[in-house]
Amino acid sequence: EPEVTQTPSHQVTQMGQEVILRCVPISNHLYFYWYRQILGQKVEFLVSFYNNEISEKSEIFDDQFSVERPDGSNFTLKIRSTKLEDSAMYFCASVLGTGELFFGEGSRLTVL
Amino acid sequence: QKEVEQNSGPLSVPEGAIASLNCTYSDRGSQSFFWYRQYSGKSPELIMFIYSNGDKEDGRFTAQLNKASQYVSLLIRDSQPSDSATYLCAASGSYIPTFGRGTSLIVHP
Repeated sequence: EPEVTQTPSHQVTQMGQEVILRCVPISNHLYFYWYRQILGQKVEFLVSFYNNEISEKSEIFDDQFSVERPDGSNFTLKIRSTKLEDSAMYFCASVLGTGELFFGEGSRLTVL
Repeated sequence: QKEVEQNSGPLSVPEGAIASLNCTYSDRGSQSFFWYRQYSGKSPELIMFIYSNGDKEDGRFTAQLNKASQYVSLLIRDSQPSDSATYLCAASGSYIPTFGRGTSLIVHP
């Protein structure tokens, strides 16, 4: 069964460093998303991506965040200068078109 | 502000019983509703989705939707210890699902 794959599974970084999280969505899916979940809290929407551009973003997705689809398969989330409060699980998800999100296993980011 | 509300629980039920999980949503424009199961430290896994008022059954799971009351529920019949997890309700009006905090379910033998 096709699945969304994410790397790395866990990244530890120092505050102020740049981090890139990578995702390979399901190949025939149309919409791609990044969500995050701070430990013990709810899954929060960051950004959606359709037709090679951002279609919607939340208040959380400020100037320190960016997304790219550099080669037609990978979908990346970059955090330019990490803060302690960026520590969370980051989930990539994709949708075929009927609305059901399929999530990757997540990338746990720990900022020290 | 679009909100999805769930009782955080924990909801504790004995093995074999029916577990009933509830959710309300604030955005009347929501058209699609989802239930996800999330084990600790893992990603959400889709269990069911429902778009129309009424009931939708899939195996041991039944989703119920009442758009007039802005209410969604999930019934799990013959609950098993392996069903112990956090259940996330999500509502979507525009391909951007909004998630609730989840209800922790504990099924004890």
